[in-house]
Amino acid sequence: EAGVTQFPSHSVIEKGQTVTLRCDPISGHDNLYWYRRVMGKEIKFLLHFVKESKQDESGMPNNRFLAERTGGTYSTLKVQPAELEDSGVYFCASSHAGFGETQYFGPGTRLLVL
Amino acid sequence: GENVEQHPSTLSVQEGDSAVIKCTYSDSASNYFPWYKQELGKGPQLIIDIRSNVGEKKDQRIAVTLNKTAKHFSLHITETQPEDSAVYFCAGSGWGSARQLTFGSGTQLTVLP
Repeated sequence: EAGVTQFPSHSVIEKGQTVTLRCDPISGHDNLYWYRRVMGKEIKFLLHFVKESKQDESGMPNNRFLAERTGGTYSTLKVQPAELEDSGVYFCASSHAGFGETQYFGPGTRLLVL
Repeated sequence: GENVEQHPSTLSVQEGDSAVIKCTYSDSASNYFPWYKQELGKGPQLIIDIRSNVGEKKDQRIAVTLNKTAKHFSLHITETQPEDSAVYFCAGSGWGSARQLTFGSGTQLTVLP
């Protein structure tokens, strides 16, 4: 079974540019999460999809961040326009539908905004 | 909301010794506590988890203990090996339908040969 995959692995952009991160969850996983780790701090929740619906987006920092999950499969996270403080590692995780299921994490996308 | 504190931030042990990482949480409604290991360049990988109806869980050299009254839980690694060197994160989550994880700030464990 393939794990969670993320693309790109690294991205370096200038302030004001746009970046789109992609996550492909484990096949059959209804739950998809985005998390972010900034400057060696804790990993923080951004949002949660159940299939194609946003279940919880309370962790999204501001309206420069837009997440979508097309057809309940892969998800994209767009940052527009990017700011310096957006630098960090963006993780995607997925889990089966249901209660207390393990979240499996992807390798992350390392974003650097200059 | 939930707040998870993790200590220490760095930990060095000699190969073969034990390592203990401790976490406390604030939300008494939290009932699920996973531990993740993150190696360089990789994403967090679940190594063990515990639910609130259990006080201790063990898997080979790894064990986790939970004290719900005191709202703290700990990871114990025995007979440490160099490949145990990594960043370890504790996390907490609520009961019921799939919920977000609230993570601690991580512990960089170094096992010295």
